[in-house]
Amino acid sequence: EPEVTQTPSHQVTQMGQEVILRCVPISNHLYFYWYRQILGQKVEFLVSFYNNEISEKSEIFDDQFSVERPDGSNFTLKIRSTKLEDSAMYFCASSHRRGTNEKLFFGSGTQLSVL
Amino acid sequence: DAKTTQPPSMDCAEGRAANLPCNHSTISGNEYVYWYRQIHSQGPQYIIHGLKNNETNEMASLIITEDRKSSTLILPHATLRDTAVYYCIVRVLDGDSGGSNYKLTFGKGTLLTVNP
Repeated sequence: EPEVTQTPSHQVTQMGQEVILRCVPISNHLYFYWYRQILGQKVEFLVSFYNNEISEKSEIFDDQFSVERPDGSNFTLKIRSTKLEDSAMYFCASSHRRGTNEKLFFGSGTQLSVL
Repeated sequence: DAKTTQPPSMDCAEGRAANLPCNHSTISGNEYVYWYRQIHSQGPQYIIHGLKNNETNEMASLIITEDRKSSTLILPHATLRDTAVYYCIVRVLDGDSGGSNYKLTFGKGTLLTVNP
């Protein structure tokens, strides 16, 4: 069964450093998302992306965050200058369509630890 | 999107049916009920969704009351691998416009523990 792939599974970085989290969505999907989950807390929406542009973003997704689909297969989340509070599990998701039969497929996540 | 209320935890014996309730008393006519689950340390997984009719797939059944104010997710024969947090989410689907206003808003869900 096709799946969303995320790399790396774990990322440790120093505060203030830039990180790029990578995702390979399912190949025929058109809609892409990033969510995050701080340890012990809810899964939170960050951003959705369609047709090479952001379609929606949350308050969390400030100027330090950016997304890109550089080559038609990868979908990346960049954090320019990481903060301690960015430590979380980051999930990428994709879907083939919107509408009545929409289903999101999530990756296994990247655990980001900011020291 | 309408708010949902779920019990924080439930237990179920292996091999028995697990019935997970969800209240969504403020649901509006164009909001769907979705269920996802999250097994420990994994990404959320889609289970099932519906509008007003009962739905069944290979994973589960979804029973929505006639007034749509509540629903129940049924796992007919729970296994140890079904131990997870189950999220009931209601949301509007705005067609294939490709526009904004799509996101899943996760609550705290129900931690289902399947016991041997």
